[in-house]
Amino acid sequence: QSALTQPASVSGSPGQSITISCTGTSSDIGGYNSVSWYQQHPGKAPKLMIYGVSNRPSGVSNRFSGSKSGNTASLTISGLQAEDEADYYCNSYTRSSTPAYVFGTGTTVTV
Amino acid sequence: EVQLVESGGGLVQPGRSLRLSCAASGFTFNSYWMNWVRQAPGRGLEWLANINQDGSVPYYADSVKGRFTISRDNAKNSLYLQMSSLRAEDTAIYYCARDWTAAGDFDFWGQGTLVTVSS
Repeated sequence: QSALTQPASVSGSPGQSITISCTGTSSDIGGYNSVSWYQQHPGKAPKLMIYGVSNRPSGVSNRFSGSKSGNTASLTISGLQAEDEADYYCNSYTRSSTPAYVFGTGTTVTV
Repeated sequence: EVQLVESGGGLVQPGRSLRLSCAASGFTFNSYWMNWVRQAPGRGLEWLANINQDGSVPYYADSVKGRFTISRDNAKNSLYLQMSSLRAEDTAIYYCARDWTAAGDFDFWGQGTLVTVSS
């Protein structure tokens, strides 16, 4: 159950779009459509932003979108805003040994 | 309003045990898989364990298998994590989280409880 690989940091200017990648294997991201993304501001609990690869929960801005290709999932934030500055984590179901979930290494987004 | 409130954290010596609790309210607790996730200081999220709706099926991360035990009491709307043989590397904030879809989509989280393992 190795952590999924994310870039340590991504930055962008207000109004721009950025994409965060999350790379796994065929035992996790590549094998299942159970990828979710979480936003975490300092000192706060994580917040679900995307579920089932590309679905947004009620209340999450449509500036956030998710996708997957092969063993890599991606989170795109369009129209970047100051409030988007946070840490972002991907998560995937994995069946490498027993059923489990694995988070990504996390990406700090700077606006 | 959905609420998850963790408790039971604190300072514990290496090798000792500790039990965390998570009190749930505002939803039908026995309808959801529940999870424990931790975050070491300055580090990322780590999924630890989950348990099905009636408490009969638990799963664990390899890192805690054999040392941690997840359980629930649906009559008390509570989730538990029994931690034993604690190590310094278990120092972290421990969160409980609801799995909304039973597919690893954690839609509600508690505020977390800090566990510090130190002599």
